[in-house]
Amino acid sequence: DSGVTQTPKHLITATGQRVTLRCSPRSGDLSVYWYQQSLDQGLQFLIQYYNGEERAKGNILERFSAQQFPDLHSELNLSSLELGDSALYFCASSVGQGLMSGELFFGEGSRLTVL
Amino acid sequence: SQQGEEDPQALSIQEGENATMNCSYKTSINNLQWYRQNSGRGLVHLILIRSNEREKHSGRLRVTLDTSKKSSSLLITASRAADTASYFCATDNYGQNFVFGPGTRLSVLP
Repeated sequence: DSGVTQTPKHLITATGQRVTLRCSPRSGDLSVYWYQQSLDQGLQFLIQYYNGEERAKGNILERFSAQQFPDLHSELNLSSLELGDSALYFCASSVGQGLMSGELFFGEGSRLTVL
Repeated sequence: SQQGEEDPQALSIQEGENATMNCSYKTSINNLQWYRQNSGRGLVHLILIRSNEREKHSGRLRVTLDTSKKSSSLLITASRAADTASYFCATDNYGQNFVFGPGTRLSVLP
């Protein structure tokens, strides 16, 4: 058990809909990262937050947004869903940021299926 | 981009054999990490090697880093069926984010 909790584990929805994925980082970790893993594209970095502030942005679509709340949990919002958004979405956390990031602790992921 | 690229994409060996996976990357790094992922599960950290280190051991794992060649290798000795998984290298883009390669799928046959 990594200590990172992601909900829901599975989600099936239709095109055009909006979903919210939730992540609770490991106790004491201030950084949260979101990754998307699809069969044909590997693990793609989406966005990172540290102590409530956005720190780095990757290949995150404009239809996607995220935030980290004062209690350090994070949410990833996916809107106007398309079939191609079907993927595993992982949240990871680490103690620090920058050069002190250290290792990442991953949750078990949220599997999104868009029909 | 600074993405790591693992090689080979897939590897199949017999139990007891050694498995070697390689990772190449493009720009300077602060550290390089290896992770394991069992099918459909979250990634699990295996080992971290810093840019000023050349070799590191952890149990049956041995990682090397050659910053002049921008490459790393992961050696798993005396493989077990339980080692069947995908293995990813991740490079630290000086703390901005961690960039993962596409992974090596390892199958260890009993």
